[in-house]
Amino acid sequence: DQQVKQNSPSLSVQEGRISILNCDYTNSMFDYFLWYKKYPAEGPTFLISISSIKDKNEDGRFTVFLNKSAKHLSLHIVPSQPGDSAVYFCAPFSSGSARQLTFGSGTQLTVLP
Amino acid sequence: EAGVAQSPRYKIIEKRQSVAFWCNPISGHATLYWYQQILGQGPKLLIQFQNNGVVDDSQLPKDRFSAERLKGVDSTLKIQPAKLEDSAVYLCASSLLAGGHQETQYFGPGTRLLVL
Repeated sequence: DQQVKQNSPSLSVQEGRISILNCDYTNSMFDYFLWYKKYPAEGPTFLISISSIKDKNEDGRFTVFLNKSAKHLSLHIVPSQPGDSAVYFCAPFSSGSARQLTFGSGTQLTVLP
Repeated sequence: EAGVAQSPRYKIIEKRQSVAFWCNPISGHATLYWYQQILGQGPKLLIQFQNNGVVDDSQLPKDRFSAERLKGVDSTLKIQPAKLEDSAVYLCASSLLAGGHQETQYFGPGTRLLVL
């Protein structure tokens, strides 16, 4: 019973182009949505988040879009850089619970120079 | 500011042996989490502590896994006896728990366990 799905295990993009990573969820109690980035042999690091009262949040090259009716969110990286190559995890939580994150299975992004 | 520290970084054991992992969270962080990340999957929460109390251990296989945070600072996670399916990266994370809705969790580098 996967509450959070990242259906693309991998994505390759040319440097300078846009990267779009997708995430679908089933639990309607989720009201905060986080993206974490993970390099090999390191722990995940927080990247950007969005609350359910918004449909867009932007931070530099990173923008997250939330479509609550479709239970879908996406992370856009523009322009993509080789240093962005990492695994990206979608991790929503419910503020009404113990604020525990539920991670998707991740998408390996490779930005080609 | 020092990050979350974990040791060892790698461990290889045979099935039925025991193993322990150690975590030192960021100073002042009240909440500590242990996650298990199996290859190709996202991290799965095993146990969550607030100070030295357990908030949630519903996904911890208690017949073989145990965890403690006796003084509300560092924590140990133990597996006894280990099974082949316990091969994974064990991640420790901590958060401040300042009362806001968003609680950024800071992760350590993880311990990679291989059970043969």
